[in-house]
Amino acid sequence: EPEVTQTPSHQVTQMGQEVILRCVPISNHLYFYWYRQILGQKVEFLVSFYNNEISEKSEIFDDQFSVERPDGSNFTLKIRSTKLEDSAMYFCASMGGTAYTDTQYFGPGTRLTVL
Amino acid sequence: ELKVEQNPLFLSMQEGKNYTIYCNYSTTSDRLYWYRQDPGKSLESLFVLLSNGAVKQEGRLMASLDTKARLSTLHITAAVHDLSATYFCAVDRSSGTYKYIFGTGTRLKVLA
Repeated sequence: EPEVTQTPSHQVTQMGQEVILRCVPISNHLYFYWYRQILGQKVEFLVSFYNNEISEKSEIFDDQFSVERPDGSNFTLKIRSTKLEDSAMYFCASMGGTAYTDTQYFGPGTRLTVL
Repeated sequence: ELKVEQNPLFLSMQEGKNYTIYCNYSTTSDRLYWYRQDPGKSLESLFVLLSNGAVKQEGRLMASLDTKARLSTLHITAAVHDLSATYFCAVDRSSGTYKYIFGTGTRLKVLA
């Protein structure tokens, strides 16, 4: 069964460093998302991506964040200068073209720890 | 701003008992989703509810949607320990980007 994959599973970084989180969505999907979950809290929307551009972003997704789909398979989230409060689980999700009736499929997540 | 609330936040129940988790949301939406999350794991899709009155069942779980009341329920029948997890509802804001707004989550613990 197709699935969303993410790498790395755990990333530890120093405050102020740049990190890139990688995702491989399900191959025929058209809608891509990043969400984050701070430990013990609910899942929060960061950004949606469709047709090679950002379609919506949340207030959390400030200038320190960026997303790219550099080729036909990868979808990346970059944080330019990490802060302590960026420590969270980051989930990538993708959804097929029949978005009105489909659901989002989530990857296993990347746990980001900022020291 | 769309708000999604679940109750209870924590639920401890005995095996064999029935219980219902509630998901309320603040603005109109026709689509609601239920996910399960085990500790340290990802979100597993359980149910997709796409219209008013929709009811879906899988094993001991049954989900329903009342769009007029802006309410979804997740009913657990004869709970077993394997159902212990956190359950999230999510609402599609119908904005065209299909972003999900998640509820606060209900942490369920089923005691043997």
